[in-house]
Amino acid sequence: GENVEQHPSTLSVQEGDSAVIKCTYSDSASNYFPWYKQELGKGPQLIIDIRSNVGEKKDQRIAVTLNKTAKHFSLHITETQPEDSAVYFCAASIFEAAGNKLTFGGGTRVLVKP
Amino acid sequence: NAGVTQTPKFRVLKTGQSMTLLCAQDMNHEYMYWYRQDPGMGLRLIHYSVGEGTTAKGEVPDGYNVSRLKKQNFLLGLESAAPSQTSVYFCASSYSLVNSGPYEQYFGPGTRLTVT
Repeated sequence: GENVEQHPSTLSVQEGDSAVIKCTYSDSASNYFPWYKQELGKGPQLIIDIRSNVGEKKDQRIAVTLNKTAKHFSLHITETQPEDSAVYFCAASIFEAAGNKLTFGGGTRVLVKP
Repeated sequence: NAGVTQTPKFRVLKTGQSMTLLCAQDMNHEYMYWYRQDPGMGLRLIHYSVGEGTTAKGEVPDGYNVSRLKKQNFLLGLESAAPSQTSVYFCASSYSLVNSGPYEQYFGPGTRLTVT
C-alpha cells in the first residue's frame, strides 16, 4: 500500500518568512496530492491540491510543487502570518480508484511567531 | 448547509463497552469515510463507503464496524471498546468520480473518545 512521509514534524518561522513542508510517497500510481490544514479542535480543511499532470499550482500565498520522478511534493507558504499557525497534512491517492482513499503523512505543526 | 456533523463530540467508555458514532452530511456526497487521528500518526482510514448500502475496509478496520443505510449517514460502531481505541475520530465525505470532481474530502469536527 501507499506510504507517505512528511517532514519536518514541527516548524517555527518568523512572521513574514516562508515555510516549506516536504512529503514523499511510495506508490508511483498515486496521482492526486491534497494538502490539509487543521486548526486546534477542528477537522482538517483542504487548502490546495495538485494532480500528477501538473508540476506546480499556486493560490495566493500558498503553492504546491510535484516531482513525479522523485515521488515527492512540497507545500510553500510565503509571507507567513500568525493565522497560518496550525497542523498541516499532506496526502496521496489514486483519484480514479473507488473511494479515492487518501493516505496521510504524519503532519507538520507550524508556529508563526509575531 | 451544515456540512459534515458528528455525534457525540466527546465520550468516555469503559473497556468492553460498546457505542456508535454518527456522521451526517447534507451535501449529497456519494463517498463517506471514517478516520482515526493519533498523535504523530496523521489520519488513518478505518472504513469507507462509496454509496448507500456499501462499505469497505480501510487501513485499520479491526475492532470497528460500519453501516450506511442512508446516503447522508455513516455510522461507526465499536462492539467491545479497548484502550487502544482511544483516539479522535473524524468523518469525511466527498463527491465520487462520476461528478468529475472536485475530490475534496470535507471533514467533520471530530469525536474525542477515551476508553479507560
